[in-house]
Amino acid sequence: QQQVKQSPQSLIVQKGGISIINCAYENTAFDYFPWYQQFPGKGPALLIAIRPDVSEKKEGRFTISFNKSAKQFSLHIMDSQPGDSATYFCAASRNTGGFKTIFGAGTRLFVKA
Amino acid sequence: DAGVIQSPRHEVTEMGQEVTLRCKPISGHNSLFWYRQTMMRGLELLIYFNNNVPIDDSGMPEDRFSAKMPNASFSTLKIQPSEPRDSAVYFCASSFRVVGSPLHFGNGTRLTVT
Repeated sequence: QQQVKQSPQSLIVQKGGISIINCAYENTAFDYFPWYQQFPGKGPALLIAIRPDVSEKKEGRFTISFNKSAKQFSLHIMDSQPGDSATYFCAASRNTGGFKTIFGAGTRLFVKA
Repeated sequence: DAGVIQSPRHEVTEMGQEVTLRCKPISGHNSLFWYRQTMMRGLELLIYFNNNVPIDDSGMPEDRFSAKMPNASFSTLKIQPSEPRDSAVYFCASSFRVVGSPLHFGNGTRLTVT
């Protein structure tokens, strides 16, 4: 049961460009939407997160846009750098049931120098 | 803070053998999660614990899989008997049981079953 759908599967962006990754969720009970970044050989690490009462959150070059009515959210990476090359996962969790976190399928980003 | 510690980093075993993966969560965290990562299925939640108690094991694929958390600083995931389709990277993660508390992942155990 895929409760969080993520696209695209892979993305190639030129250095300095904007990387955009999209996610959609089904369960309206989700109340926390984090993005994780994973480098080869490492576990995922929190990048940025948003609550559904906010439409946008920005941290440095990373921005989450959230559309509650459409049940969609996206990650924008401005001025993409080769060091941003990694796999990105969107996720969703809910307060009830012990904060169970469900992940999207992941997007492999490659930033060309 | 040493982070979440998993052992072993790599495990190669033959089909039918028992495999035990180990995890030491971050001290003070009261939620622990086991995930499995494959190319085909991505990151799948297998089971999670709150305060050492299993809350949801609906992601455990078969009875061959079992997990325990005997105390706040240690958890195991056991596969018995192992099969080639169990080959994957298994991650342990811990967090505080608070909304907005991020998951802290270990570096995973890469399991290969031949």
